[in-house]
Amino acid sequence: EVQLVESGGGLIQPGGSLRLSCAASGFTVSSKYMSWVRQAPGKGLECVSVIYSDVNTQYADSVKGRFTISRDNSKNTLYLQMNSLRAEDTAVYFCARGVVSAHNAFDIWGQGTMVTVSS
Amino acid sequence: QSVLTQPPSVSAAPRQKVTISCSGSSSNIGKNYVSWYQQLPGTAPKLLIYDNDNRPSGIPDRFSGSKSGTSATLGITGLQTGDEADYYCETWDSSLSVVVFGGGTKLTVL
Repeated sequence: EVQLVESGGGLIQPGGSLRLSCAASGFTVSSKYMSWVRQAPGKGLECVSVIYSDVNTQYADSVKGRFTISRDNSKNTLYLQMNSLRAEDTAVYFCARGVVSAHNAFDIWGQGTMVTVSS
Repeated sequence: QSVLTQPPSVSAAPRQKVTISCSGSSSNIGKNYVSWYQQLPGTAPKLLIYDNDNRPSGIPDRFSGSKSGTSATLGITGLQTGDEADYYCETWDSSLSVVVFGGGTKLTVL
């Protein structure tokens, strides 16, 4: 079965760091472009980052310089390293798989992991 | 403030048709492909339409997508109560070099 399972969320103080993981099954993360999309409570979707290849990544301005997307092909897992966290980073974080034959479309999503930044 | 503009809400009766608009600019919808997602309460988004007007396997043909100039439209026919959800458009913005989502539209089936 093709699926994504996120983990690593939780309560963290402002200025702290957190690493989210997204374990994939049923396909290999190295063969797809992958993304992290977040949703603040009661708000819409925001694409935080996309990894097209190890040398081609994209970040929203709101997280540029603070977040880093990466993947470990041996573990078939996508990561999001989040540093210097702010209250406005509080959200459910989803990982999603890109459709190779399409343009920036994401067909498989994880269930999401909640990140709460608060003192 | 989203780069793509969607109406906050739309409503229609069961078995009727509804359209949801997504307005952008020449740097996003005007030159790139559009996707649409459905998000039921408390769940992850689901891809409905990709590349403007293509449906993934398993998505019924009640859902359709179109694009004209700097706007895109999602159409849903034969509305069902189970279609009540938030709907989002999404595309690439060539000026910002980021994937962007619309603000979302809440569909109510009366």
